[in-house]
Amino acid sequence: DADVTQTPRNRITKTGKRIMLECSQTKGHDRMYWYRQDPGLGLQLIYYSFDVKDINKGEISDGYSVSRQAQAKFSLSLESAIPNQTALYFCATRQGPDTDTQYFGPGTRLTVL
Amino acid sequence: QQQVKQSPQSLIVQKGGISIINCAYENTAFDYFPWYQQFPGKGPALLIAIRPDVSEKKEGRFTISFNKSAKQFSLHIMDSQPGDSATYFCAASYGDSSYKLIFGSGTRLLVRP
Repeated sequence: DADVTQTPRNRITKTGKRIMLECSQTKGHDRMYWYRQDPGLGLQLIYYSFDVKDINKGEISDGYSVSRQAQAKFSLSLESAIPNQTALYFCATRQGPDTDTQYFGPGTRLTVL
Repeated sequence: QQQVKQSPQSLIVQKGGISIINCAYENTAFDYFPWYQQFPGKGPALLIAIRPDVSEKKEGRFTISFNKSAKQFSLHIMDSQPGDSATYFCAASYGDSSYKLIFGSGTRLLVRP
């Protein structure tokens, strides 16, 4: 969905490096989410945010941090990347509080060597 | 802890056949059950969703069947087409404002011409 963009689309990095994944949306939604997708495990929630001042941990937040710079921007950081963080990362948005649908970006494929 | 179990992991169906994917959940607090469709290189997109107050929901060739007492729900794709070939994820969400989605592990569907 072009309304939710993620950069970069692919990234290869080395163990110990700091890396930031960025998500931008033009949908005007207030809720934003970061998920991680691993083969055979589905998607797991890392962090979610209701607005710039409201950030919450998901199921697997250890080793990750986030920043909500504006309503339209939500960044995910790996402070010191490790190989088991190799995965597909998806950003999603939702217009709260009374709608259910989450809209996903195209994903970022991250490889940590 | 996997709270939504999805089967089968992969499915091959002939064109025109019926595709059936099953999910089971544990937590009775879930009150929203969506199915997402994901094509290669794309983010998941909402396909169809149901709430526990109905036992079935149909949208075109796609139907969700919901069995509250058994804590199971399934996706039926009638007259399956090669364009339906994708990965399908079931999910469940708690009845709170976060709308955090708990995903199943995914089913890779291949519809042969």
